[in-house]
Amino acid sequence: AQSVTQLGSHVSVSEGALVLLRCNYSSSVPPYLFWYVQYPNQGLQLLLKYTSAATLVKGINGFEAEFKKSETSFHLTKPSAHMSDAAEYFCAVSDKGDDKIIFGKGTRLHILP
Amino acid sequence: NAGVMQNPRHLVRRRGQEARLRCSPMKGHSHVYWYRQLPEEGLKFMVYLQKENIIDESGMPKERFSAEFPKEGPSILRIQQVVRGDSAAYFCASSPGTGISGNTIYFGEGSWLTVV
Repeated sequence: AQSVTQLGSHVSVSEGALVLLRCNYSSSVPPYLFWYVQYPNQGLQLLLKYTSAATLVKGINGFEAEFKKSETSFHLTKPSAHMSDAAEYFCAVSDKGDDKIIFGKGTRLHILP
Repeated sequence: NAGVMQNPRHLVRRRGQEARLRCSPMKGHSHVYWYRQLPEEGLKFMVYLQKENIIDESGMPKERFSAEFPKEGPSILRIQQVVRGDSAAYFCASSPGTGISGNTIYFGEGSWLTVV
């Protein structure tokens, strides 16, 4: 069964600094991987997804993530944090051919002025 | 998440009452998913439905919870005899029905259930 582990339930970075949110996955078959963002009292918005094409995936709002099979990781990065990036971020996995998406517990990103 | 409509956005129920949450998928989407989000926890998968069929309900509690997606009308998540532990945000998502491969599921803005 697939699962994801997000390291750090809270991450704080200074405005303008690098954002790095960690995600490790477990899947018995080649996975699809996703990052979603949730702003307070709102639903989830897709940031980016990996579906076995390029291992470096670029998403919206300047975010990108790199699929590393050897490390079973799919970490999310952004070169320069902005105050508007403060939100909760969820990593998720789905096995190919399986429509169900499994989410991690989320990482709340705080941006320090 | 534009297009997936959930209502009500906020619902307050007393213990023992019934809660009904509705979800209208995006136009052209025939697959619906329900997730529950508890405080400080991620989203937990509950159930996956296609029109008139439950495909995967492995995340649904065995009692008091049910879901349907009729041929006409929205998908409904029904919680009978609610208890305080049912207080959570319930999210609906939809997809076109060709599977996750190459497609994306789109989320609604959630229904927040409070049991008092």
